Amino acid sequence: NAGVTQTPKFRILKIGQSMTLQCTQDMNHNYMYWYRQDPGMGLKLIYYSVGAGITDKGEVPNGYNVSRSTTEDFPLRLELAAPSQTSVYFCASSRGYRDRGNQPQHFGDGTRLSIL
Amino acid sequence: DQQVKQNSPSLSVQEGRISILNCDYTNSMFDYFLWYKKYPAEGPTFLISISSIKDKNEDGRFTVFLNKSAKHLSLHIVPSQPGDSAVYFCAASPLGGTASKLTFGTGTRLQVTL
Repeated sequence: NAGVTQTPKFRILKIGQSMTLQCTQDMNHNYMYWYRQDPGMGLKLIYYSVGAGITDKGEVPNGYNVSRSTTEDFPLRLELAAPSQTSVYFCASSRGYRDRGNQPQHFGDGTRLSIL
Repeated sequence: DQQVKQNSPSLSVQEGRISILNCDYTNSMFDYFLWYKKYPAEGPTFLISISSIKDKNEDGRFTVFLNKSAKHLSLHIVPSQPGDSAVYFCAASPLGGTASKLTFGTGTRLQVTL
């Protein structure tokens, strides 16, 4: 059981470039999330999705876009990369709200992104 | 505005002793609290959680205590083992809503020494 898989693991971008961070889960979870973690800080929620076709903003959505066309995949798009987006990005998934007491979020191993 | 605070960036404990990690929160709407453990180059791994209707939850060597009046929770690890050396994050989720939108603390690095 692979769980949550993120690709790539590392990437260096130039300012102004764009890229898509991939995230897929094989646990049939309805809910998926994107977080970023800056050095010495906690994880901050960028976007989340409660099901295919439904997405919503988290705490720090500016500069990012997401889509959710299938239950399994939740890609994160950076359109115009900026140095402030240098961070480690984590994707997570979980079951629905009613199960949240027993079904916490499962995280991928992250994508380390540097923008120079 | 840091709504979930872990004021101790690091903690060193001898193997076999108790590790106590602390977390404070400011948002009264938080009603579900979790602890995650993170090794370098890996994603956070869920450890234990507690709902605001409880004041204690235990799972093996791990116990979480919640003091709602003080807006404080703690994670106790007994006995501590070298494999417990990691960064521990406290996280909280608000009442209501349609997803478990977590707010994380900044983490406490635990080192368990031989």
